[in-house]
Amino acid sequence: QPVLTQSSSASASLGSSVKLTCTLDSGHTSYVIAWHQQQPGMAPRYLMKVEGPSGIYNRVSGVPDRFSGSSSGADRYLTISNLQSEDEADYYCETWDNNIRFFGGGTRLTVL
Amino acid sequence: EVQLVQSGAEVKKTGESLTISCQVSGYTFSSYWIGWVRQMPGKGLEWMGVIYPGDSDTRYSPSFQGQVTISADKSISTAYLQWTSLKASDTAVYYCARHSSSSGTVDWGQGTLLIVSS
Repeated sequence: QPVLTQSSSASASLGSSVKLTCTLDSGHTSYVIAWHQQQPGMAPRYLMKVEGPSGIYNRVSGVPDRFSGSSSGADRYLTISNLQSEDEADYYCETWDNNIRFFGGGTRLTVL
Repeated sequence: EVQLVQSGAEVKKTGESLTISCQVSGYTFSSYWIGWVRQMPGKGLEWMGVIYPGDSDTRYSPSFQGQVTISADKSISTAYLQWTSLKASDTAVYYCARHSSSSGTVDWGQGTLLIVSS
């Protein structure tokens, strides 16, 4: 079964950019992943899917274009540019296999 | 607009039974897998299991197999998560979520807070 690894925390300054990483284990390096944002006290929110290895991403309607996705090998990325205070949240990646779902441990993003 | 509306917060005693619900609208209920995700206090997301309402095909994470039961009623577009004997360690927020086979978990309910005490 797929395993997704995320750094536990990240930080960046207001107005800057940050790149969050989700790494798939070997044997599952071609899998599509999804990114979710969970603001404090709120339900998660689906942001986009990122395909590998092409890195093509599909951002859902309503998500600012400051959010983008990319891919390199086993790594899937979520880049947030022009960071805003409301971007401070937990970010989770997700993949799936035969309708079984797997989540990464999440990255807590702090906007300084 | 797709909506997943969950039942309200619950405060229960250990050993009690409970069923929480998730009523959906805005899409064909029978055509998408719908799952449940646990989030314990201060922790990450844990996928519990999923049901395909079209044929009631149900799958569970090994961590939750035998601990909970997932069901669905197509006639009222509602999915359920059931416990027969609650433990204190079941204290968490539970989310229902619509899964897409190609895009991931595309819609989330607002969450149901469950507090279990002795």
